[in-house]
Amino acid sequence: AQSVTQLGSHVSVSEGALVLLRCNYSSSVPPYLFWYVQYPNQGLQLLLKYTTGATLVKGINGFEAEFKKSETSFHLTKPSAHMSDAAEYFCAVSGSNDYKLSFGAGTTVTVRA
Amino acid sequence: DAGITQSPRHKVTETGTPVTLRCHQTENHRYMYWYRQDPGHGLRLIHYSYGVKDTDKGEVSDGYSVSRSKTEDFLLTLESATSSQTSVYFCAISRQGDEQYFGPGTRLTVT
Repeated sequence: AQSVTQLGSHVSVSEGALVLLRCNYSSSVPPYLFWYVQYPNQGLQLLLKYTTGATLVKGINGFEAEFKKSETSFHLTKPSAHMSDAAEYFCAVSGSNDYKLSFGAGTTVTVRA
Repeated sequence: DAGITQSPRHKVTETGTPVTLRCHQTENHRYMYWYRQDPGHGLRLIHYSYGVKDTDKGEVSDGYSVSRSKTEDFLLTLESATSSQTSVYFCAISRQGDEQYFGPGTRLTVT
């Protein structure tokens, strides 16, 4: 079974500051890990994913995440926040032989001018 | 964007009435999923399908049924809607069962 914990339901950052969203997972098998973004009144959009290979994964809109097996973490970062990054972000995990995703509760990001 | 549509996009219904939500894809993906999204819970899986006529339950399947008679369509039915089923419902598709692509959602209100 897999589960995800996102630390912090709300994060507020200044425009141009670092964005750091924390995600920890538990999985009984090697995990596949995902970050999704949801803008108001829209569906979820895939930001990036880790399946195998390089542990530092780059995604769209300048985001990246690093898979750290020893810490069971998959934190999402962006060096410089933009106003357009205001949204809700979800971390998700699946097992490598599983076809289902388990989602975290989400983190809402607000960006201050 | 993945070719996923959901209908209706908004629906208000009364307690005790049956409701069917439709998900339609043009990507020919094998896997299809229904989720509900509620504040503080993220997305929770209701049912999923791994092929035509092949479906299975998710973590919150009570009160819901699904059907998939064609690759492109996945229907979610609330047999007798209750106020606790007021939610936003998302359909998702996946080619290989890993990354999923989401539809625009259906906002359902049960009065």
